[in-house]
Amino acid sequence: AQKVTQAQTEISVVEKEDVTLDCVYETRDTTYYLFWYKQPPSGELVFLIRRNSFDEQNEISGRYSWNFQKSTSSFNFTITASQVVDSAVYFCALSEEAYGGSQGNLIFGKGTKLSVKP
Amino acid sequence: DSGVTQTPKHLITATGQRVTLRCSPRSGDLSVYWYQQSLDQGLQFLIQYYNGEERAKGNILERFSAQQFPDLHSELNLSSLELGDSALYFCASSVEGQARNTIYFGEGSWLTVV
Repeated sequence: AQKVTQAQTEISVVEKEDVTLDCVYETRDTTYYLFWYKQPPSGELVFLIRRNSFDEQNEISGRYSWNFQKSTSSFNFTITASQVVDSAVYFCALSEEAYGGSQGNLIFGKGTKLSVKP
Repeated sequence: DSGVTQTPKHLITATGQRVTLRCSPRSGDLSVYWYQQSLDQGLQFLIQYYNGEERAKGNILERFSAQQFPDLHSELNLSSLELGDSALYFCASSVEGQARNTIYFGEGSWLTVV
């Protein structure tokens, strides 16, 4: 069955530290999509990145980078030189082509709460 | 700003009452989703519409219903409210409602049932 696991419930770092948020997924599908969303204290869910299962290239966007490894079913997210504004809950999510292709609904992990202290 | 608009942002109501949450999708998006976020259940998919038709159902209670109108806005109706229905309700939209599409979320509607 499809599942997303974010084993880290809470992480606390000091500003300028690097931090990696782990995401492990389970799927029966060969075509699937992985997402990261950020939920700041104000509550909205902000889209960060989408990756499809055929593209294992790592991606970097400013201080954010993502490492996708199909061999370990992981899609980890690293924030370099963290800032206080990075404090939020981060969600990893999965959508599957075959089982949810015409639907596209997301299966979310339980989220990792990141606190960045000055 | 994701472009998905939800109203109201906050709502307090009593048990047994009925409320309606409203959502306008991003311009050009045909598919609308509703999600519920509660402390114990996390983010749960409720229901999806595509161009006015129901496409998928998740963990939506029978007391809840939704629809998508011809202008593509959507409403989520919650009735016979219970304390446990207190949650953050998100509306989201995507272009075609396919797995490959990015889903953009609104700011959510905070519902408190007292």
